[in-house]
Amino acid sequence: EVQLVESGGGVVQPGGSLRLSCAASGFTFDEHSMHWVRQAPGKGLEWVALISWDGYTAFYADSVKGRFAISRDNSKNRLYLQMNGLRSEDTALYFCAKIHNFYDSSGKKAYYFDYWGQGTPVTVSS
Amino acid sequence: QSVLTQPPSVSGAPGQRVTISCTGSSSQIGAGSDVHWYQHLPGTAPKLLIYGNNNRPSGVPDRFSGSKSGTSASLAITGLQAEDEAVYYCQSYDSRLDVIFGGGTKLTVL
Repeated sequence: EVQLVESGGGVVQPGGSLRLSCAASGFTFDEHSMHWVRQAPGKGLEWVALISWDGYTAFYADSVKGRFAISRDNSKNRLYLQMNGLRSEDTALYFCAKIHNFYDSSGKKAYYFDYWGQGTPVTVSS
Repeated sequence: QSVLTQPPSVSGAPGQRVTISCTGSSSQIGAGSDVHWYQHLPGTAPKLLIYGNNNRPSGVPDRFSGSKSGTSASLAITGLQAEDEAVYYCQSYDSRLDVIFGGGTKLTVL
């Protein structure tokens, strides 16, 4: 059974830092790209970052670029999100998500999120 | 404001059929990007409901179906049940292949 368990959330002052962790089990972790997605209070889902299976490639949403860093330790089956320079607008529930690759209806390589964790809450407030 | 537009809420009585729309643009859904749907109950992990516009993962009841046309997609739920009460999100990709979500639709079973 695939399990993704996030931890590390909490309350932090504006400008502060937090490191989120996601423990993965039930699948071959180092064969899959992984993502972070967040949900601000009363808002919808927002994609945050992705990291390739080998950890060498990462992409970020414009809203977090330069402040957040995604990383992974395949020997520990763990995904991380280092969040620096936190702002009030970063307050959200942060989910880690596993992807499944497939060929879409136009024949292009694409993916979807087949498993998610339950999320860890981050509150940025003075 | 989300890139994909969904109605904030829909409702239906048990046994009825409801649809949830997801409207995008010519640079994402209209450009051929597939649409996926997720079900989310607060406090739990979001669950994949439909992938690739109209495909159900194993374990998802056939009461759930998806479709896509032009710049929009839809999720249909037939034979509505109390356990279907949740928030539903559509997801696709923009022209940079970044992941984009709809704002979510809260389904209330009357």
